[in-house]
Amino acid sequence: DTAVSQTPKYLVTQMGNDKSIKCEQNLGHDTMYWYKQDSKKFLKIMFSYNNKELIINETVPNRFSPKSPDKAHLNLHINSLELGDSAVYFCASSQDEAGSNYGYTFGSGTRLTVV
Amino acid sequence: RKEVEQDPGPFNVPEGATVAFNCTYSNSASQSFFWYRQDCRKEPKLLMSVYSSGNEDGRFTAQLNRASQYISLLIRDSKLSDSATYLCGAVDSSYKLIFGSGTRLLVRP
Repeated sequence: DTAVSQTPKYLVTQMGNDKSIKCEQNLGHDTMYWYKQDSKKFLKIMFSYNNKELIINETVPNRFSPKSPDKAHLNLHINSLELGDSAVYFCASSQDEAGSNYGYTFGSGTRLTVV
Repeated sequence: RKEVEQDPGPFNVPEGATVAFNCTYSNSASQSFFWYRQDCRKEPKLLMSVYSSGNEDGRFTAQLNRASQYISLLIRDSKLSDSATYLCGAVDSSYKLIFGSGTRLLVRP
């Protein structure tokens, strides 16, 4: 069973469209995250939720809206997509906010291409 | 200054070599530290947590120096399969896991 699964794996869409990426974890973790990895491979945190509550909201355009219906799910909705949004988006989860000794477990990523 | 900094490499070493990566972090309140491995077009995978006393897992040894705010990873007897990008991460006082830009390792036959 995949611990952290995200869908879709690939997403190609036109500028101006709205799209969603879904993430689910079956590890029983309390905290979930969205990270963005750009073309230079830099992995940057965007959001985190702990038990459905938003705890980290980095300087991200408000076109990006995370939603956590329960602690096992964290979705990312993006409005009015721009070329610069093209990147790989990784979902992750951890047992607690600090990552304890077990770090974060990442999903396999969603490769978003905006054309 | 970036919160977590690494030499991007690439480090190009022969099989069997010992290679060391260093990483520095700027937030002295950082509380947890990790090394991740990322293969091309894959997700980062936890290699090892880094403890103050230093820790070893097979051919891999991680060290933390809080006074100098750096973390290191030593790989002994490099294998071809060790070729990857190694990401250093530090959880800061806001519970954000901040990554460095990664160090690329190429192990050649």
